[in-house]
Amino acid sequence: AQSVTQLGSHVSVSEGALVLLRCNYSSSVPPYLFWYVQYPNQGLQLLLKYTSAATLVKGINGFEAEFKKSETSFHLTKPSAHMSDAAEYFCAVMNYGGSQGNLIFGKGTKLSVKP
Amino acid sequence: EAQVTQNPRYLITVTGKKLTVTCSQNMNHEYMSWYRQDPGLGLRQIYYSMNVEVTDKGDVPEGYKVSRKEKRNFPLILESPSPNQTSLYFCASSSGRGYTFGSGTRLTVV
Repeated sequence: AQSVTQLGSHVSVSEGALVLLRCNYSSSVPPYLFWYVQYPNQGLQLLLKYTSAATLVKGINGFEAEFKKSETSFHLTKPSAHMSDAAEYFCAVMNYGGSQGNLIFGKGTKLSVKP
Repeated sequence: EAQVTQNPRYLITVTGKKLTVTCSQNMNHEYMSWYRQDPGLGLRQIYYSMNVEVTDKGDVPEGYKVSRKEKRNFPLILESPSPNQTSLYFCASSSGRGYTFGSGTRLTVV
């Protein structure tokens, strides 16, 4: 069965510092992987997705993530945090093709950015 | 514009009063799904549908029903809502390579 583990329910960084949000997945077949962001009182916005092409995926707002099969990881990074990055971030995994289209989410990591 | 439309956006109801949250997509997607979001628990899948008349339980189906009579619509039915169903609900549809989410329905059961 698929699963996603996000390490750290809360992460706090200073403005300008590196953002690193960790995600590890479990999947019996090659997965699709996603990062979503949810700003306060809003819906889900897709940040980026990995669909078996390049292992380093660039997304919106300066975020990127690297798919590492050997580590079963898909960590999200941003070189320099901005106050506007404060939000909750969700990692998700999906088995592509056939009948395995379910999207399974991690529990989320809330990012705080200090001035 | 490709979108998933949920209604209502906000709903306050009383325990035991049947309600339906509607979901409609205009992308001709076969796959649709319902999630609930609770603090500290992320998004958990309630039900999903692979196609018309094909539905299956997700991780937290208790207290919910769904139907899929047409490809575009996938309503979520709470026949006897209880306070533990107070949550933020999201509908989604998928082409198999990515998901499109609705804007969410915030439900409060008192």
